[in-house]
Formats: sequence, C-alpha cells, structure tokens
Amino acid sequence: IAGITQAPTSQILAAGRRMTLRCTQDMRHNAMYWYRQDLGLGLRLIHYSNTAGTTGKGEVPDGYSVSRANTDDFPLTLASAVPSQTSVYFCASSAEPSTDTQYFGPGTRLTVL
Amino acid sequence: RKEVEQDPGPFNVPEGATVAFNCTYSNSASQSFFWYRQDCRKEPKLLMSVYSSGNEDGRFTAQLNRASQYISLLIRDSKLSDSATYLCVVNDGNNRLAFGKGNQVVVIP
Repeated sequence: IAGITQAPTSQILAAGRRMTLRCTQDMRHNAMYWYRQDLGLGLRLIHYSNTAGTTGKGEVPDGYSVSRANTDDFPLTLASAVPSQTSVYFCASSAEPSTDTQYFGPGTRLTVL
Repeated sequence: RKEVEQDPGPFNVPEGATVAFNCTYSNSASQSFFWYRQDCRKEPKLLMSVYSSGNEDGRFTAQLNRASQYISLLIRDSKLSDSATYLCVVNDGNNRLAFGKGNQVVVIP
C-alpha cells in the first residue's frame, strides 16, 4: 500500500537517551517534513527536506537533527531527549516543496521521562 | 499575531444541521490554502484545497476572501462521522505551510 510509514508507533524514553524516529515513503515525493503536535499548540515544523541530500530548519529545530540520504527515508534523531520533547511526531511528504498537498504518516507518540 | 488563527471550539452541531467556521491568516502574500481533517489520535488528512473562486465537494464548501484574509468551511447536513478537528493550512508565502490549531466539531445525535 503506497504511503508513509513511521516507526515506532509509540515509545517511552528516559531523559538523556538518544532516539531515532523513522519515516519512509514510497510515493517518490521530493519533499519531506517532520512536525510535532502538542495540545493547544497545533502542528509545528521541526525540519524539512526539499529533495534528497538537502535539509533545512523549521520553526522548532533545537534538539533535533535529520538526514536525507535518499528519496524514501527521512529519519529524525533526538540526540539527548528531554521531557519537553514529549509529543506526537508526524512525518509528511509532498511531491514538491510546500506548495503541494502534504501527506502524513500515522505518527509516533513519544514520552520522555 | 499568529500566522493562522482558528477558534478551537468545540462546535457542537446537531446531526443534520449546518456548521460553518472561519480561519484568518496574517500574510497577505499567502498563495495556497487547504482544509485538513484530523480525527482523534490520527494523522491529518487533506479534506480539500481552497480556490479563489470557492469550491464545493459534496456537503463541504470552502471559500477564500483575500481582501479580509480569511478562508471558510461550511458543512451541510452534518453526519456523526463529520466529528473531527478541521485544520486550516496556509502556504505562508515563505515556501512553508502554516497550520492553524484547528476547529473541533462534535456532531450530536
């Protein structure tokens, strides 16, 4: 089934640990995005990639890093997790950067204790 | 002023009734507009794009008012399955999408 997959579905993590959230799309979309969604704050862009090999910072990039080694994969890494990074993380993709419709993965629920 | 503002609600709507809500945006250079639907604990999904001339998709009608910088969504003949949060999304002119916090709709039997 075409679309975006994310792993894990949920995770409880001790503060200070390193964590990588995985995102894979099979639609051959050029652009990919990572958002976090917190109650009362809506979706906020963490990092984005307009095409394989390039990445950029979004609204809330601190504490997160990304890589885009190929078209399909866009992992998000928390180098040293903190409780304020407890959130729901959504990966999304679009055929072209931003001006096109974005398709979202099912999300990862992360709790940092 | 936030880029995209929505009244979170909830909007409690009797089944079969009509509900409408607006979303205002701050950047007059914004070019693309969308409504997304998000069910509880699920990912957002595109409901419809919003065109300058307005557009309709079944029971859903979206309109854009550039002069006043708002877009609207109207749902006719509300169904229980319409209960969800509706996110207003705007291409903010800086080549990024800005999301509103959403309008929560609860359709009541």
